[in-house]
Amino acid sequence: NAGVMQNPRHLVRRRGQEARLRCSPMKGHSHVYWYRQLPEEGLKFMVYLQKENIIDESGMPKERFSAEFPKEGPSILRIQQVVRGDSAAYFCASSPPERGSFEAFFGQGTRLTVV
Amino acid sequence: GDSVTQMEGPVTLSEEAFLTINCTYTATGYPSLFWYVQYPGEGLQLLLKATKADDKGSNKGFEATYRKETTSFHLEKGSVQVSDSAVYFCALLNTGGFKTIFGAGTRLFVKA
Repeated sequence: NAGVMQNPRHLVRRRGQEARLRCSPMKGHSHVYWYRQLPEEGLKFMVYLQKENIIDESGMPKERFSAEFPKEGPSILRIQQVVRGDSAAYFCASSPPERGSFEAFFGQGTRLTVV
Repeated sequence: GDSVTQMEGPVTLSEEAFLTINCTYTATGYPSLFWYVQYPGEGLQLLLKATKADDKGSNKGFEATYRKETTSFHLEKGSVQVSDSAVYFCALLNTGGFKTIFGAGTRLFVKA
């Protein structure tokens, strides 16, 4: 049973470009979470999605950031017009659909560098 | 709101030394508690967990006991190895919640 798969592992973008980060949850998991880790800091919650629905996006910056989890395919975290401050590791996690079971399994992360 | 506080690093130890990394939490209700480890350049791996008071989580020689009376979940290992060098994160997941709340992380260096 493959774990949470994120790609790419490393992504370099110039200021003003768009970054698209992908996450495939574990098989059978229908809940996806995105977290951001700034250098030398802990992980901060960004958004929680279920298939085709955003459940909570309280940790998402109001502008330039968006997330989706379509019926088919991976979850996508999209950052438009990236700035240097977006440089961070972005981690995806997933959990199974059972009610009340939100223990998250984490992927390897995507390290975004904005130059 | 819920929060996790863990001791600041870095912590530098010699091989075979005893390790303690302190973690305390603030939460309403009865959270599950976790320790995650992050090796250089890698993602997060779940190291151990405890889901109720007085539970002891253990894995790879690491242990932590869920102490409700002191709201603590300190990580311990009796004899560290160079390969234990990593960043350790304490975290909680509250009952009925979906956000895992992380501490800031503690970097551990183990010298040969």
